[in-house]
Amino acid sequence: DSGVTQTPKHLITATGQRVTLRCSPRSGDLSVYWYQQSLDQGLQFLIQYYNGEERAKGNILERFSAQQFPDLHSELNLSSLELGDSALYFCASSVDIEEIDTQYFGPGTRLTVL
Amino acid sequence: AQKVTQAQTEISVVEKEDVTLDCVYETRDTTYYLFWYKQPPSGELVFLIRRNSFDEQNEISGRYSWNFQKSTSSFNFTITASQVVDSAVYVCALSDPGAQKLVFGQGTRLTINP
Repeated sequence: DSGVTQTPKHLITATGQRVTLRCSPRSGDLSVYWYQQSLDQGLQFLIQYYNGEERAKGNILERFSAQQFPDLHSELNLSSLELGDSALYFCASSVDIEEIDTQYFGPGTRLTVL
Repeated sequence: AQKVTQAQTEISVVEKEDVTLDCVYETRDTTYYLFWYKQPPSGELVFLIRRNSFDEQNEISGRYSWNFQKSTSSFNFTITASQVVDSAVYVCALSDPGAQKLVFGQGTRLTINP
């Protein structure tokens, strides 16, 4: 158990819908990262937050957005869902942004868009 | 741009055999970190090792060992006396110091047959 929690574990929804994925980082970790893992693209970085502020953006679609709250949990919002958004979404956390620290991953949320 | 290549898509061996998973990386940074994660069938990503670019000493942890060679930009992972429980996808990753994100290889699916 990495200490990073993600809910829900599974999510099945229809095209055009909107969903919210939730992540709680390890105790003491200030950075939260979101990754998408699909069969054809592998693991792709989406976005990073540090202590409530967005710090880096990767291959995140405009239909997707994220935020980190004062209690450091984070949410990833996916809207106008398409079939191709079906993937495993991981949240990871690390202690400090000043050095390359180990990112510990949550169990992931498996999203299926029908 | 940073890149990680895991040329072995799938490997299948019989239990108790030794197996080496290859990881080749590309980066222009002089300071960087390399990681290995294990992704068992349940889907979560389990951290295995973190190595910085200034430490080329090989590391051994039980049946696991890692060979880091800067000259060939490789960070290979060997499992000695493999066991069925080692069956998983193993993913190699490289840090991006500027963005703190991880760049992942496509992963190697390792199957250990009894």
